[in-house]
Amino acid sequence: QKEVEQNSGPLSVPEGAIASLNCTYSDRGSQSFFWYRQYSGKSPELIMSIYSNGDKEDGRFTAQLNKASQYVSLLIRDSQPSDSATYLCAVISFNKFYFGSGTKLNVKP
Amino acid sequence: EPEVTQTPSHQVTQMGQEVILRCVPISNHLYFYWYRQILGQKVEFLVSFYNNEISEKSEIFDDQFSVERPDGSNFTLKIRSTKLEDSAMYFCASRRDRGPPAPFFGPGTRLTVL
Repeated sequence: QKEVEQNSGPLSVPEGAIASLNCTYSDRGSQSFFWYRQYSGKSPELIMSIYSNGDKEDGRFTAQLNKASQYVSLLIRDSQPSDSATYLCAVISFNKFYFGSGTKLNVKP
Repeated sequence: EPEVTQTPSHQVTQMGQEVILRCVPISNHLYFYWYRQILGQKVEFLVSFYNNEISEKSEIFDDQFSVERPDGSNFTLKIRSTKLEDSAMYFCASRRDRGPPAPFFGPGTRLTVL
């Protein structure tokens, strides 16, 4: 069973649109959830963390967590071409940090 | 801004050889990690290290692998008798003891086994 699942994409959105990225996880006891951005050939970069149900906003990014549904999402408002990257969902489960396979986002000018 | 550094950026080795990948974690961080990413695949957890010992390891981290903190600043991953399938990007990461549990990643070492 995969600990973290994401749609691999690619997800294509026009510049200025809202990009919605989704993630599900298997360990109901997980308490900590993260979104990382990874540009091609680069290392993952932390962009958001969320620990409680609801929404958390940081600039153009909003993370959403629903523990009952075991679902985490990331919304990117006013998407820019520079947001084109792979977005990795990560979850702490049984004291280990698991990444999903990532969703590739393409923002078209 | 402090960052995790890794050397070398690219390592080429022959199958069966031993390699040592080096990392300097952020100075006030106490948890250290190694992750691996085979080209086009997901980032995979290898091992976590805290208080001078392994705290968690994955199924991938078998007897071929070892980690060491030889001094107060370096954190190394040794891969013995490398195989073709060990070719990947290896990321070191670290985090503080307190605060957000998300690790910060170094730029990675690309290992190519021929």
